[in-house]
Amino acid sequence: AQSVTQPDIHITVSEGASLELRCNYSYGATPYLFWYVQSPGQGLQLLLKYFSGDTLVQGIKGFEAEFKRSQSSFNLRKPSVHWSDAAEYFCAVGAGGNKLVFGAGTILRVKS
Amino acid sequence: SQTIHQWPATLVQPVGSPLSLECTVEGTSNPNLYWYRQAAGRGLQLLFYSVGIGQISSEVPQNLSASRPQDRQFILSSKKLLLSDSGFYLCAWSVPGGSSYGYTFGSGTRLTVV
Repeated sequence: AQSVTQPDIHITVSEGASLELRCNYSYGATPYLFWYVQSPGQGLQLLLKYFSGDTLVQGIKGFEAEFKRSQSSFNLRKPSVHWSDAAEYFCAVGAGGNKLVFGAGTILRVKS
Repeated sequence: SQTIHQWPATLVQPVGSPLSLECTVEGTSNPNLYWYRQAAGRGLQLLFYSVGIGQISSEVPQNLSASRPQDRQFILSSKKLLLSDSGFYLCAWSVPGGSSYGYTFGSGTRLTVV
């Protein structure tokens, strides 16, 4: 069965600094990979997804993620963080069935 | 375009009272539907999912139940709420084979059992 690990529970970055959120997955074949963002008290919003092809995926709000098969990783990046990026971020993996498997989430704090 | 509606946004209920949360989807047919719960600091817990009318899969044994009386309607219920049922409840939908395409989430219901 597939699984997802987000090693960092909390991350704090300064506004304007770069960001990388880590995600490692476990799955035998090429997975479907997703990043979601959740602002406090809100539902989850899809940032980006990887199905196949180019391993660098562009998403909304200036985010990108890179699929690295050799490292079983799908890390989320942003070159310059804005205060409005403070939220919780979830990585998820799918294997073609009906259910996504979500990581435990990483809470991003942005300091001014 | 497809939209998902979830209500109410917030709910405060006494222990032992019944619960009914409703989720509806517009603009698509035969969606997969999901109920998740977020308890403080515990991530997303899949409670139920449905691939069609009357078809419910339960992921964890608990005090809750789900029903899908219509194609685009998904209801989460309880006969008697417990304190431990407090949390943030999220409904989501996907096309069939949802793990290949991702989910779209509703805006959630904050349930506080007192």
